[in-house]
Amino acid sequence: QSVLTQPPSVSAAPGQKVTISCSGSSSNIGNNYVSWYQQLPGTAPKLLIYENNKRPSGIPDRFSGSKSGTSATLGITGLQTGDEADYYCGTWDSSLSVRKVFGGGTKLTVL
Amino acid sequence: EVQLVESGGGLVQPGGSLRLSCAASGFTFSSYSMNWVRQAPGKGLEWVSYISSSSSTIYYADSVKGRFTISRDNAKNSLYLQMNSLRDEDTAVYYCARDMLGATDMDVWGQGTTVTVSS
Repeated sequence: QSVLTQPPSVSAAPGQKVTISCSGSSSNIGNNYVSWYQQLPGTAPKLLIYENNKRPSGIPDRFSGSKSGTSATLGITGLQTGDEADYYCGTWDSSLSVRKVFGGGTKLTVL
Repeated sequence: EVQLVESGGGLVQPGGSLRLSCAASGFTFSSYSMNWVRQAPGKGLEWVSYISSSSSTIYYADSVKGRFTISRDNAKNSLYLQMNSLRDEDTAVYYCARDMLGATDMDVWGQGTTVTVSS
């Protein structure tokens, strides 16, 4: 069971908007920045959002991130079929030992 | 071009050992902290280990502590993961990933190398 909780799947139609939640605690999200990663089928993960809400160069502004308390959210607008992928949140955790942690991942289906 | 290339994966029996390597190019390797992240077949991402740029700070996931050792050679632009006492549950694709400068988000990932632990 993952330290960070994400919904297993979300779906929406092309052109629509979707949000993916990531729930944690004060030992992780509550006191650390959150990252979001996109993993297309058969490929390595790719950084989408860093430090809660910043986009690396080359990531379109259709992708956004936010954080409030011990939860974070990834938003994707103007959905495209190419956005079908697994999405993971990640951060540091210091509950028992210092470690990085990921959410269980959310499979996005663009109907 | 910024690039990370893993190697060293393969088939190993339970209890065996394997050493993974990650060759970095296109950036000043010695300035960046690095990580190993793995993904078991059909499963999500699991962080394995972290090493700071100077090797002064190292962290491990509880699942590998005492069995795996992370190291780096900045002169060779290389990251390593020595894996001992391997178990079936260590079967996964292993990725090396670079932390952003001034941050701890992983912005560059290799293509991964597959480790299969089976008798």
